[in-house]
Formats: sequence, C-alpha cells, structure tokens
Amino acid sequence: DQQVKQNSPSLSVQEGRISILNCDYTNSMFDYFLWYKKYPAEGPTFLISISSIKDKNEDGRFTVFLNKSAKHLSLHIVPSQPGDSAVYFCAASWLGGGADGLTFGKGTHLIIQP
Amino acid sequence: DGGITQSPKYLFRKEGQNVTLSCEQNLNHDAMYWYRQDPGQGLRLIYYSQIVNDFQKGDIAEGYSVSREKKESFPLTVTSAQKNPTAFYLCASSFSSGRITDTQYFGPGTRLTVL
Repeated sequence: DQQVKQNSPSLSVQEGRISILNCDYTNSMFDYFLWYKKYPAEGPTFLISISSIKDKNEDGRFTVFLNKSAKHLSLHIVPSQPGDSAVYFCAASWLGGGADGLTFGKGTHLIIQP
Repeated sequence: DGGITQSPKYLFRKEGQNVTLSCEQNLNHDAMYWYRQDPGQGLRLIYYSQIVNDFQKGDIAEGYSVSREKKESFPLTVTSAQKNPTAFYLCASSFSSGRITDTQYFGPGTRLTVL
C-alpha cells in the first residue's frame, strides 16, 4: 500500500510558466515533508521541505503548500526554467519513526518546453 | 568540500556473486541510509543506521547486509540471495539527534548490473 502517491508520472510545462507538482499521502502520522529533484543516473538533491505546523514554505522560485486536512501537498515552481526538467520526488517522515528512512512517492517527470 | 561519495559509479557482477557498494560521508552525520531505485519506482529503503555499530532493516532488506563500524562509512553488500539485484543504489545521510532535521542528503549512486 503506497503511503505517498504522486499520481502524475509526467508533466509538461512551457518555459516561464508555473509548474505545479502534486503529492498525496495516506499516513496521518507524517509530520515532515520534503521534495527532491533527480537527474538521470544521479542522486536526488534536496529542494525544499515543510513541517506539518506550517501550510506554506517558500525558497526562491520554489514554494511548497501543505493541506493537512486533504493530506495533500504541492510544489510550485515559478517561473519554470529548462534546468528544472528532472524527476521530482515527494517524501515524508514522522516523529515516531525516529531517524529511519523517508517514504518516497514514485516521482513525477517534469519536462520544461522552450 | 563536504559530501557523500559512492563508488563505483557502475558495477557489474556475475550471478551468484556477492558485491559490496561503498558509501562514505564527511558531513559528520550520525544517520546513514541505503535505498534502491528501479525504473518507474520511488526510492525504497533497504537498511538504515542511526549510530555507529547499530543498523536496522528497512522495507526490502532481504538479500542485503550492511555494517557501520565507522561514523563515516556505511557499506552495503548485495548477496547472491538477492533475487533481483540489478538496480540503482543510493546512499544518504542526515543528522539524527533531536530531529534537528530529517533532510537526507544523497550520494551520486551506484548502478549495479547482474550479468
């Protein structure tokens, strides 16, 4: 049973427009959420995170929104740039889990078109 | 420069052989992790270690073994008991004391192919 779901395997966005990547989770114990960006044959790189006590976190072009009641989070990238083309993974953890691993979604392949 | 290194980048192994993947970090992180990625899949946790000389099984530990003799190093052995070892293997690390952050930082990965 997938606890973190990214239902869009791919997303195509025109350069300069907003990219919105979505993530849903089922485990209400999750209290910390992260987004990672991954290029082929490389390790994921951390982008942005949000704690469950917040509903929004912003870092430059990246903003993450958290809707706890809907168990939904989204990553907004504005404006989208060609270098943003990559696979984006949503990940989650919870306090009771201690320092064990994150639970990842399957990823969304973002393609920025010129 | 602080970071996580994994070696080798590409690894080939004959069926029935054990192979060890290296992971080293100089970030002074307490916790280290091994994940596996398959095409079209998210990352799945194999093993993790919160402190030296201690490690725990993740979701898919069968056919794998680890050791944590030093804080900086967390090698993963893929044994012949692992039925589908061909995959991209990722090592990560994070601070773990008091949950300062759960952000995990990843190495570049090792692609293992079983021939």
